[in-house]
Amino acid sequence: QVQLVESGGGVVQPGGSLRLSCAVSGFTLSYYGMHWVRQAPGKGLEWVAFIGYDERNKYYADSVKGRFTISRDNPKNTLYVHMNSLRAEDTAVYYCARNLDSHNHLDYWGQGTLVTVSS
Amino acid sequence: EIVLTQSPATLSLSPGERATLSCRASQSISTYLTWYQQKPGQAPRLLMFDVSNRATGIPARFSGSGSGTDFTLTISSLEPEDFAVYYCQQRSNWPLTFGGGTKVEIK
Repeated sequence: QVQLVESGGGVVQPGGSLRLSCAVSGFTLSYYGMHWVRQAPGKGLEWVAFIGYDERNKYYADSVKGRFTISRDNPKNTLYVHMNSLRAEDTAVYYCARNLDSHNHLDYWGQGTLVTVSS
Repeated sequence: EIVLTQSPATLSLSPGERATLSCRASQSISTYLTWYQQKPGQAPRLLMFDVSNRATGIPARFSGSGSGTDFTLTISSLEPEDFAVYYCQQRSNWPLTFGGGTKVEIK
């Protein structure tokens, strides 16, 4: 069955960096675009970034552009997001999600990993 | 950026009642509108895509309608497991955006 498992969350100081991973199984990662979506505590969903199946297309929310980098390692079935210059407002649960049929519907989601930016 | 406004913020209903949730876009998004359901402590779940197409395993009591800027998610008769937060999302333009959510709570 399709599974997505995020890891790498934790507490980081403002200005710090963190790399989140999303290990997938039950499907061939190289066939799918992938997204990161985040949710601040008690708040709604915020789309963060997208990477195409072949890495040629990448898109970012304005709030993270220039600070976050999405990448993937298809042979390792793993999606990443590298987060630099972290701010308090980046505190959130970060979800990875699969793109359904290349149409930007997110059909499978991981359970999320919490990133807390605090001194 | 396309802004999605969901209303009401909270809907208080009893099991068996009909729920009508609204999502309004700041500009036309054709039919590129998706709905998700999220329960406490869980990841969102895909409900409907392109307005009215139910995702795999979603029961027929869920339906969607609309085009352009105004969209509706209807739950014909609420089951206990339907009490949750519902989000709309547009895929017409980058960046993808979500609405602020509607919480359907037990009255």
